[in-house]
Amino acid sequence: GESVGLHLPTLSVQEGDNSIINCAYSNSASDYFIWYKQESGKGPQFIIDIRSNMDKRQGQRVTVLLNKTVKHLSLQIAATQPGDSAVYFCAENIGGTDKLIFGTGTRLQVFP
Amino acid sequence: ETGVTQTPRHLVMGMTNKKSLKCEQHLGHNAMYWYKQSAKKPLELMFVYNFKEQTENNSVPSRFSPECPNSSHLFLHLHTLQPEDSALYLCASSQGRRGTNEQFFGPGTRLTVL
Repeated sequence: GESVGLHLPTLSVQEGDNSIINCAYSNSASDYFIWYKQESGKGPQFIIDIRSNMDKRQGQRVTVLLNKTVKHLSLQIAATQPGDSAVYFCAENIGGTDKLIFGTGTRLQVFP
Repeated sequence: ETGVTQTPRHLVMGMTNKKSLKCEQHLGHNAMYWYKQSAKKPLELMFVYNFKEQTENNSVPSRFSPECPNSSHLFLHLHTLQPEDSALYLCASSQGRRGTNEQFFGPGTRLTVL
């Protein structure tokens, strides 16, 4: 069946290091991908998105990489800060629909 | 603030109660969504409304009844819930098929069913 999954449920990094969060997707019809960040007590917050006609997109301290060959998505956070501690979700959108399929999430813990 | 508000933020109800969750978006979007978020589970899409028409019902039990009177407001009416329905219920909105599919989420309603 269709699924979006994350390789690691928890990622611990030291402040200042780079973080990489990975995500696998299985639906080849997906043409739009989003990373969300969810802090405790809040709803998911948009971080960055990428369309299937791209393989890399950069934002402020964040980069998303898309490898359609192996159906893999990653989120890179540069110089991770304590405020980056949260649960990160990847989501895929199947083209032509408004439906997002979310992964289970990875908890990022940043230590001083 | 994302432009999507939800009330109440917390709700405790018995299995025989009837309650409603409210969502309002101030973004001019045309699509609105209800999600359920349980511990250690992916966000589960429940309902999608596009231009006030329901376009997705993800096999949700009938004890959950959505209502979308206009593109800015979305309700989730709750009746005869079960303890396993306790979860965070998130509302989201997006431009719909006209624009990007980025969804803006509200803060959620934490529901506890006793």
